[in-house]
Amino acid sequence: AQKVTQAQTEISVVEKEDVTLDCVYETRDTTYYLFWYKQPPSGELVFLIRRNSFDEQNEISGRYSWNFQKSTSSFNFTITASQVVDSAVYFCALSERYNNNDMRFGAGTRLTVKP
Amino acid sequence: NAGVTQTPKFQVLKTGQSMTLQCAQDMNHEYMSWYRQDPGMGLRLIHYSVGAGITDQGEVPNGYNVSRSTTEDFPLRLLSAAPSQTSVYFCASRPDRGRNTEAFFGQGTRLTVV
Repeated sequence: AQKVTQAQTEISVVEKEDVTLDCVYETRDTTYYLFWYKQPPSGELVFLIRRNSFDEQNEISGRYSWNFQKSTSSFNFTITASQVVDSAVYFCALSERYNNNDMRFGAGTRLTVKP
Repeated sequence: NAGVTQTPKFQVLKTGQSMTLQCAQDMNHEYMSWYRQDPGMGLRLIHYSVGAGITDQGEVPNGYNVSRSTTEDFPLRLLSAAPSQTSVYFCASRPDRGRNTEAFFGQGTRLTVV
């Protein structure tokens, strides 16, 4: 069965600090997809990144970077030089190629960036 | 481009009342789903549909019904509201059954059952 664990419930940092949000997943499928979403205080869900199980390359987008490691079933998200606007709840999610069920989400990590 | 539209944004119900949360998408996506978001539990799948005329249960389906008569619309019905159904509800759509595309979410409906 698919499962996503975000062990960090809340993280608080001071602006300009780097912060890493952890995501560990479980799946029996060999083909699967991982996602990160951001939920700012306004409540909408904003898509950040998608990664498939065949692509273990790390990705960098501005201050955001993602580290995908199949050996440890992890898909961690790092924000470099955090800003107050990064304050949000971040969700990691998993979907499987041969499972009709939709995405399985982690419980989310609430990030607070203080000025 | 409207994307995924949910109505209403807020709703207060009394225990035992019924109501329908509306969801419409204009992207011709095959796949639509409903989630509920509760504190500390992330988003949990209620029901989903892989196409018009086809629906199936997700992780937490009890107390909810869905139908998919058109590609665009996927309403969620609460048959007899209970306080345990107080939550934020999100509708989502995806273009690809292969699961390798992101989901597009509506703005959410905050439902309170008193």
